[in-house]
Amino acid sequence: EAGVTQSPTHLIKTRGQQVTLRCSPISGHTSVYWYQQALGLGLQFLLWYDEGEERNRGNFPPRFSGRQFPNYSSELNVNALELEDSALYLCASSRRSEAFFGQGTRLTVV
Amino acid sequence: AQSVAQPEDQVNVAEGNPLTVKCTYSVSGNPYLFWYVQYPNRGLQFLLKYITGDNLVKGSYGFEAEFNKSQTSFHLKKPSALVSDSALYFCAVRDEMNRDDKIIFGKGTRLHILP
Repeated sequence: EAGVTQSPTHLIKTRGQQVTLRCSPISGHTSVYWYQQALGLGLQFLLWYDEGEERNRGNFPPRFSGRQFPNYSSELNVNALELEDSALYLCASSRRSEAFFGQGTRLTVV
Repeated sequence: AQSVAQPEDQVNVAEGNPLTVKCTYSVSGNPYLFWYVQYPNRGLQFLLKYITGDNLVKGSYGFEAEFNKSQTSFHLKKPSALVSDSALYFCAVRDEMNRDDKIIFGKGTRLHILP
């Protein structure tokens, strides 16, 4: 069974640009979570999608947005990138209880 | 709203000794509790969970955790530490009663196993 896959694995963007990160959940999982992990810090909750709808949102500005597609894959969009957006972005999928994580996308903003 | 606390930023243990990584939680209803491990530049790997039933749960790589409802704790344990256990460990909680129950993570505890 394939795990959670994220693309790309690494990304370098310039301040002010926009970026789209992608996540494919484990087959049969309908929930997708997005977390931001800045260097040396814990996981900050960004977004939660379930059955195509946004269920909850963390304390992040509106330039962080996303969506979930009918096949339950998900995108995270970040507009007007700032230097402090540099982080590891982790996606996780879940069916009922525990979540399973992808390897993450390392975003560097220069 | 649910919350989870890991009071130790770092834990140092000699190889072969028992290890404990502490976690306390707060939820409105019944908790779903989890432990994850993260190796450098990698995603999180699921170790174990408590949903209901026996308070002592066993997980991957010889780890176990004890659910204590009265102390609202879910400490991670291993009888004999290995150098390869050195990593960043996260405790997480989900509130069974909350319809908007997202999974919340602690800030993480860095475990150093000394050879």
